[in-house]
Amino acid sequence: DAGITQSPRYKITETGRQVTLMCHQTWSHSYMFWYRQDLGHGLRLIYYSAAADITDKGEVPDGYVVSRSKTENFPLTLESATRSQTSVYFCASLRGWGSNTGELFFGEGSRLTVL
Amino acid sequence: AQSVTQLDSQVPVFEEAPVELRCNYSSSVSVYLFWYVQYPNQGLQLLLKYLSGSTLVKGINGFEAEFNKSQTSFHLRKPSVHISDTAEYFCAVTPNYGGSQGNLIFGKGTKLSVKP
Repeated sequence: DAGITQSPRYKITETGRQVTLMCHQTWSHSYMFWYRQDLGHGLRLIYYSAAADITDKGEVPDGYVVSRSKTENFPLTLESATRSQTSVYFCASLRGWGSNTGELFFGEGSRLTVL
Repeated sequence: AQSVTQLDSQVPVFEEAPVELRCNYSSSVSVYLFWYVQYPNQGLQLLLKYLSGSTLVKGINGFEAEFNKSQTSFHLRKPSVHISDTAEYFCAVTPNYGGSQGNLIFGKGTKLSVKP
C-alpha cells in the first residue's frame, strides 16, 4: 500500500548509544521532514530534505544527523542519545511541493525512550 | 518569522454541542494556514487548509475554519461534535512564497475531549 512508514514504532535505549529511526515513503515526494513531539511544545522540526542528497536544519537539529541517498528513504540518527531526546518522532512527506500546498503526510510515529 | 498560538490547551465539550478551537498567528508576510488532527497513537492528518480565496474553508468531518486577516486568526469550528472527534488539533502556518516548501510552524495543540 502507498504511504509513509516508520520503524521501529517503539524503542528503548540507553544514554550514549546510537539510534537510527527509519522512514520510507512510496509516493516519491521530493520533500521529507522529521519532527519531534513533546508535551507542551507541540511539533518541532528537526531536519528536512528537499530531494536526495539535499538536507537542511530545522528548529532543533542539535544531536541529530540525517541522510537521504534515495528519494524514498529519510533516516534520522541520534549519534549519542541523551535523555532529553526521549520523544515521539514523526516523519512526514510533502505533497505538491511546486504549488506549496503544505499538505504533509505523516507516519505513525516512533516513540523513543532514552534511559 | 512566523508563530502560532493556540489559545486553549484543552477543550472539554458534550456530544452534539458546538465547538470552537482558537488559533492566532503572527507573521510579517502573507501565509497559508492549516488545521491538522491527531487521533490517539497516530500521526497527524490534514483537516483543512486556507491558501487563498474564500475566507471560510470547509474540511473533512464537518469542520470549518474562517481566516480573519485583520485579527490574524484561523479558528476551527464544528456545529455539533461527536465522540469520534476526540483528538488533538494543531493549527499550522507557512509563508506563501516559493521556497518555504511546507516548513510548517505548528501550534502546541488543543486537546478536544467530547463527553457523552
